[in-house]
Amino acid sequence: DADVTQTPRNRITKTGKRIMLECSQTKGHDRMYWYRQDPGLGLRLIYYSFDVKDINKGEISDGYSVSRQAQAKFSLSLESAIPNQTALYFCATMAGTSGYNEQFFGPGTRLTVL
Amino acid sequence: DAKTTQPPSMDCAEGRAANLPCNHSTISGNEYVYWYRQIHSQGPQYIIHGLKNNETNEMASLIITEDRKSSTLILPHATLRDTAVYYCIARGSGGFKTIFGAGTRLFVKA
Repeated sequence: DADVTQTPRNRITKTGKRIMLECSQTKGHDRMYWYRQDPGLGLRLIYYSFDVKDINKGEISDGYSVSRQAQAKFSLSLESAIPNQTALYFCATMAGTSGYNEQFFGPGTRLTVL
Repeated sequence: DAKTTQPPSMDCAEGRAANLPCNHSTISGNEYVYWYRQIHSQGPQYIIHGLKNNETNEMASLIITEDRKSSTLILPHATLRDTAVYYCIARGSGGFKTIFGAGTRLFVKA
């Protein structure tokens, strides 16, 4: 079984709709992240969380919100989707013991906003 | 975290070594160099990291210059499945975010 899972894997929605992307992990990591990737570009950080009571904005948080329901679950919401939020979205985790740890990424969610 | 600079793309013949350079001239003493790769829209995959010394694992080798201003990721015998975008990242003590640049797109050709 995959350590970091994302649902749905693909989603097509319309402008103005509310969308939730979900991420679950079995690695037992405290730190979780949401990134987006646009074609031909690197990943950009949207939000990150160090534990269930800690939520932080990343580079591009406008138009997004998150919820850390449990250590293992971190959801990303688009309250009112717009076409320029069409992108590939990745969830990631990292152990919280120090900064010298690699991140583990989920398989991604491809979101299309029409 | 220090900025890193990588060539946008490189080619490599299958079976040959792929040497991917990265410049990180402003790296500070406590910043590690990490390498990840992303195969065609999949989630990025950790490859290797190092501080000063050269490192090797089952996937690759990492050579860091003595002044730590640049590094090279070496895939010793590239295969077609190594075609991917490779990201070089500098991340320091307490560094909890991975900032991705555009990376190097490696094409391994038969």
